[in-house]
Amino acid sequence: GDSVTQMEGPVTLSEEAFLTINCTYTATGYPSLFWYVQYPGEGLQLLLKATKADDKGSNKGFEATYRKETTSFHLEKGSVQVSDSAVYFCALRRGAQKLVFGQGTRLTINP
Amino acid sequence: GAVVSQHPSRVICKSGTSVKIECRSLDFQATTMFWYRQFPKQSLMLMATSNEGSKATYEQGVEKDKFLINHASLTLSTLTVTSAHPEDSSFYICSARDEGPDNGGNTIYFGEGSWLTVV
Repeated sequence: GDSVTQMEGPVTLSEEAFLTINCTYTATGYPSLFWYVQYPGEGLQLLLKATKADDKGSNKGFEATYRKETTSFHLEKGSVQVSDSAVYFCALRRGAQKLVFGQGTRLTINP
Repeated sequence: GAVVSQHPSRVICKSGTSVKIECRSLDFQATTMFWYRQFPKQSLMLMATSNEGSKATYEQGVEKDKFLINHASLTLSTLTVTSAHPEDSSFYICSARDEGPDNGGNTIYFGEGSWLTVV
């Protein structure tokens, strides 16, 4: 079945550091790919998405490129801030099917 | 933008009682809503897909008699945890699919989540 694998956390960085959170997926066909962010005590918010190969999703300085050849959708940000501290979930969806989430990566940014 | 609201955000109940969590789509109609459960420091586990006007579709291993789902209108789905036990304590999150023509295509929006503590 479909699955998503994220790099294990927690990840701790200093402010203004470069961030990469790896995400790879297994799915038949051509899924849409998503990154969601969960701030402490809150629900999930869509951070960015990409619906086809080579698409780049971007939002709030975060980027991720849909790489079909490597089945990856790595999340990157050039300069992180303390306010980026949260749990990040990679997810996929095929058509109108349910979202399949990775295990989440907890990110902590220190001032 | 579209908003999905959950209520209550936090609830404490006694063991053996039932508790209801509501999920509302505030500015769009949702024929399909999803209920997830999240254990501390873990990912979201899909419990069931709630379908307006019909029975919910439960994921394998989820007790449908314990987690009752009702989707009686296009803007409201409810999850009732019956005969709650401490092991049911968790963070429950709903999501709703906006299938309208102006939403960028089947966008899913999440509620804020509901913390359930069973004592």
